Amino acid sequence: GNSVTQMEGPVTLSEEAFLTINCTYTATGYPSLFWYVQYPGEGLQLLLKATKADDKGSNKGFEATYRKETTSFHLEKGSVQVSDSAVYFCALSDRGGFKTIFGAGTRLFVKA
Amino acid sequence: DAGVTQSPTHLIKTRGQHVTLRCSPISGHKSVSWYQQVLGQGPQFIFQYYEKEERGRGNFPDRFSARQFPNYSSELNVNALLLGDSALYLCASSLNRQERSNEQFFGPGTRLTVL
Repeated sequence: GNSVTQMEGPVTLSEEAFLTINCTYTATGYPSLFWYVQYPGEGLQLLLKATKADDKGSNKGFEATYRKETTSFHLEKGSVQVSDSAVYFCALSDRGGFKTIFGAGTRLFVKA
Repeated sequence: DAGVTQSPTHLIKTRGQHVTLRCSPISGHKSVSWYQQVLGQGPQFIFQYYEKEERGRGNFPDRFSARQFPNYSSELNVNALLLGDSALYLCASSLNRQERSNEQFFGPGTRLTVL
């Protein structure tokens, strides 16, 4: 079945460091891929998405590219801020669009 | 506009009891999905409802059931509660179910504790 695997956390970085959170997926067909973020005390919210191979999703300085050949959707940011401290979830939505499968989440701590 | 709302915020039950959780989607959204998020894990898909019909079901026992009302709000029912049902239950709404690229908008969740 479809699944999402993302790197375990927590990830601890200093402010202005480069961030990469790895995400790989297993799916039949051509799923849509998402990154959701959960800030402390808040609900899940969409960070970015990509719907087909080689698409790049971007938002708030974060980027991820849909790589079909490596079945990956790694999240990157060139310079993290303390306010980026949160839990990040990689997810996919199957062809029918009715089921979203989430990874286990990666907690990011950014130190000033 | 109000976002997705869920009630109650917190709930404490004992084993064997049943519980009903409620969700109101964003106005105009016809699809509601339910997820269970155990502490330290990602959300696990339970159900999706679209136009009052069940369109998807995850790998959960029959103790879990749901329904969607004509105003698109939804209830999640869990019978014969087990300790392992303790989790954050998330509701998400989207415009429709037919687009795999649909963004889902999540509510704040209901924290269920089973003692």
